[in-house]
Amino acid sequence: KQEVTQIPAALSVPEGENLVLNCSFTDSAIYNLQWFRQDPGKGLTSLLLIQSSQREQTSGRLNASLDKSSGRSTLYIAASQPGDSATYLCAVLFGNEKLTFGTGTRLTIIP
Amino acid sequence: EPEVTQTPSHQVTQMGQEVILRCVPISNHLYFYWYRQILGQKVEFLVSFYNNEISEKSEIFDDQFSVERPDGSNFTLKIRSTKLEDSAMYFCAIQTGGQNEQFFGPGTRLTVL
Repeated sequence: KQEVTQIPAALSVPEGENLVLNCSFTDSAIYNLQWFRQDPGKGLTSLLLIQSSQREQTSGRLNASLDKSSGRSTLYIAASQPGDSATYLCAVLFGNEKLTFGTGTRLTIIP
Repeated sequence: EPEVTQTPSHQVTQMGQEVILRCVPISNHLYFYWYRQILGQKVEFLVSFYNNEISEKSEIFDDQFSVERPDGSNFTLKIRSTKLEDSAMYFCAIQTGGQNEQFFGPGTRLTVL
């Protein structure tokens, strides 16, 4: 069964620190992987898309990496800000059309 | 980023009633999806819709659910006879371009009493 796992479930860090969120998946035959941000009671905002042929993708202070062989992706956030507080979701396209989501990491940046 | 809107933002209904959730993608797209998220749980795939037909559906998407694109723009999800366990946030998504990136609407919060 294709599954996506995110650890930790929650993370609190002081403002200004760099941090890494982790995502692991059970099947290396992926098409792509997306990282989303979800604010409480809101929709999903796509942050980064990384194709299976790529090893990393960057957007501003965000950097996503992908290691298919080990079934892992990380989302690196540099110089964290209170506005980064949200739940971050990892979702994998396993070669078909539907995204399989992790349970998310709830991030709190402490001012 | 393509814009996707959903109406209503919140729907409260009695158990056994029919509800229709609507999605309006601003640009023309071929691939549409419905996902749902029960409070505190993962986002789950319900159904994908390509070229005006269901492409894939999950085990959740039983006979109580249906989707259609009635007028070429709106994309709807109908639940015929709602159950308490249908209470969730329902998200519409579209897929764009060759990269197969999915973009989500703001969601409809369905509360079944």
